[in-house]
Amino acid sequence: NAGVTQTPKFQVLKTGQSMTLQCAQDMNHEYMSWYRQDPGMGLRLIHYSVGAGITDQGEVPNGYNVSRSTTEDFPLRLLSAAPSQTSVYFCASSYKWGYEQYFGPGTRLTVT
Amino acid sequence: DAKTTQPTSMDCAEGRAANLPCNHSTISGNEYVYWYRQIHSQGPQYIIHGLKNNETNEMASLIITEDRKSSTLILPHATLRDTAVYYCIVPTSGTYKYIFGTGTRLKVLA
Repeated sequence: NAGVTQTPKFQVLKTGQSMTLQCAQDMNHEYMSWYRQDPGMGLRLIHYSVGAGITDQGEVPNGYNVSRSTTEDFPLRLLSAAPSQTSVYFCASSYKWGYEQYFGPGTRLTVT
Repeated sequence: DAKTTQPTSMDCAEGRAANLPCNHSTISGNEYVYWYRQIHSQGPQYIIHGLKNNETNEMASLIITEDRKSSTLILPHATLRDTAVYYCIVPTSGTYKYIFGTGTRLKVLA
């Protein structure tokens, strides 16, 4: 198993640009989630999904969209990038809600 | 906001037990306590979780008080590689959300 993969590893965007952060898992996990981590801070939940076709908002959803059309993939879309979205983004998955979460290596995003 | 309170930082001598406390005084009867850690800027790593009984695995032990208002994560023989930020999480029942908070920065000293 490759586990949880995230692409790209690094990205620089200009203010106003849009992009999609990719997250995929090959473990047939139902639960997937996106977090952001600002320098020196803890992780904050952006969006999560308890299964294909089901998504919901976390703590800080504004400026982000998600979809879950397949069990494997959970992309995060930045609609119009802002400098405040400069952060490290982590994707995670677990067999079901309440089970051990596996985290990806992160995407380091800088918005100028 | 996170439902847990943890000390900001702790030090532990290498080879000694590291005891990391967590207060979760508003925990409900069916809510679990989870522990994760984050080494440097890597993705967090699951350690252990429990409901009311003490739990042990190959990484750590989790001691939950009888009233369930607090818990302690125990790393029995800390090594330098255990230096990390440790997060205690109590998801609100029915929400499907893990709220990480700021965690405890543990430094294991040689």
